[in-house]
Amino acid sequence: AQRVTQPEKLLSVFKGAPVELKCNYSYSGSPELFWYVQYSRQRLQLLLRHISRESIKGFTADLNKGETSFHLKKPFAQEEDSAMYYCALRSGGSNYKLTFGKGTLLTVNP
Amino acid sequence: DAEITQSPRHKITETGRQVTLACHQTWNHNNMFWYRQDLGHGLRLIHYSYGVQDTNKGEVSDGYSVSRSNTEDLPLTLESAASSQTSVYFCASSETRAGATEAFFGQGTRLTVV
Repeated sequence: AQRVTQPEKLLSVFKGAPVELKCNYSYSGSPELFWYVQYSRQRLQLLLRHISRESIKGFTADLNKGETSFHLKKPFAQEEDSAMYYCALRSGGSNYKLTFGKGTLLTVNP
Repeated sequence: DAEITQSPRHKITETGRQVTLACHQTWNHNNMFWYRQDLGHGLRLIHYSYGVQDTNKGEVSDGYSVSRSNTEDLPLTLESAASSQTSVYFCASSETRAGATEAFFGQGTRLTVV
């Protein structure tokens, strides 16, 4: 069975500081990994997916198959980055459901 | 613009009552999902569907049912509401096209069972 682990429930940083939200997964195949963000009282929205290898709002994430990780990074945090972040995994093939981690609440202090 | 909408946004119901939460998408996506969001648990999959007349159980399906009679709608029914089902419910949809399998979420329904 697949599993997604986000070890930090809460993460607090100051504006301008680097931020890293950790995500580890367990799955024996070749999964597809995503980061979703949920701003206060809003719907979840896609932030990044590993196959696109792009930077969105200054965030990047690299899939490390050896360490089974997909950590989310931003070199300089902004106050508007404060939100709940979820890492999610799709096992691939004809399986389209997502398995989510428990989420990390990021607070960026002024 | 295509979208996915949930109704109602907020619902208070009594223990034992049957409740149905609506989800409607205009993306023409084959895949639709229902998740519940709880503090300390993240999002957990309740039921999902990969097409009309197809429904499948997720990890927390007990006490819930869904039906898929058309592409656009996947209503979620709580057969006999329990206090443990107080939660925020999110509907989502996605494509089957490779490279475009991310899920699009509705705005959520906050359900309180008293």
